[in-house]
Amino acid sequence: EVHLLESGGDLVQPGGSLRLSCAASGFTFSSYAMSWVRQAPGKGPEWVSSISGSGGNTYYAGSVRGRFTISRDSSKDTLYLQMNSLRAEDTAMYYCAKDPDSLGTANHFDCWGQGTLVTVSS
Amino acid sequence: DIQMTQSPSSLSASVGDRVTITCRASQIINTYLNWYQQKPGKAPKLLIYVASSLQSGVPSRFSGSGSGTDFTLTIRSLQPEDSATYYCQQSYSSPRTFGQGTKVEIK
Repeated sequence: EVHLLESGGDLVQPGGSLRLSCAASGFTFSSYAMSWVRQAPGKGPEWVSSISGSGGNTYYAGSVRGRFTISRDSSKDTLYLQMNSLRAEDTAMYYCAKDPDSLGTANHFDCWGQGTLVTVSS
Repeated sequence: DIQMTQSPSSLSASVGDRVTITCRASQIINTYLNWYQQKPGKAPKLLIYVASSLQSGVPSRFSGSGSGTDFTLTIRSLQPEDSATYYCQQSYSSPRTFGQGTKVEIK
């Protein structure tokens, strides 16, 4: 059974940094692209970033490009999101999600973790 | 970016009712349209992908249809456990975008 477990969410001041992790199990991690999707309180989900199965291709939403970095470690079956220069509008639940193939381009999300909460506030 | 618009934003229906939710894309997306169910405090769950394919384990009372710009999610016979918010999402192009959601309540 596919299982995704996020961690690393916290309260951080504007301008601060945070690294999120997502531990994956139940599937061959390196064979699938992975994504981060966030959801602000009371809003719909928003795609943030994706990375191909090989890790060689990364994709970002315009709102986070240049501030966030997605990466993966296949030796640990773990996905990461390094978030720098955080803003109040980055406050959201951040979900790790699995893509149905290895590419990381437009696709659906076939499995989601339970999320980790990031709050940006002074 | 492709904008996704859902209607209605909320609805209330009785157990056993047929419920239909619509989603409209701001440009043609062929059949690259997916549907998710989200219950309070939980992550979204994939129900339907590429407009009409039922995700494994999802009850057959859920179905999807449409192509181009207009899509529908139908719940054939509403059950109490279907109380949730439903989101559409386009997978035609990046960035992948979601609708604003439709909240389904049980009368």
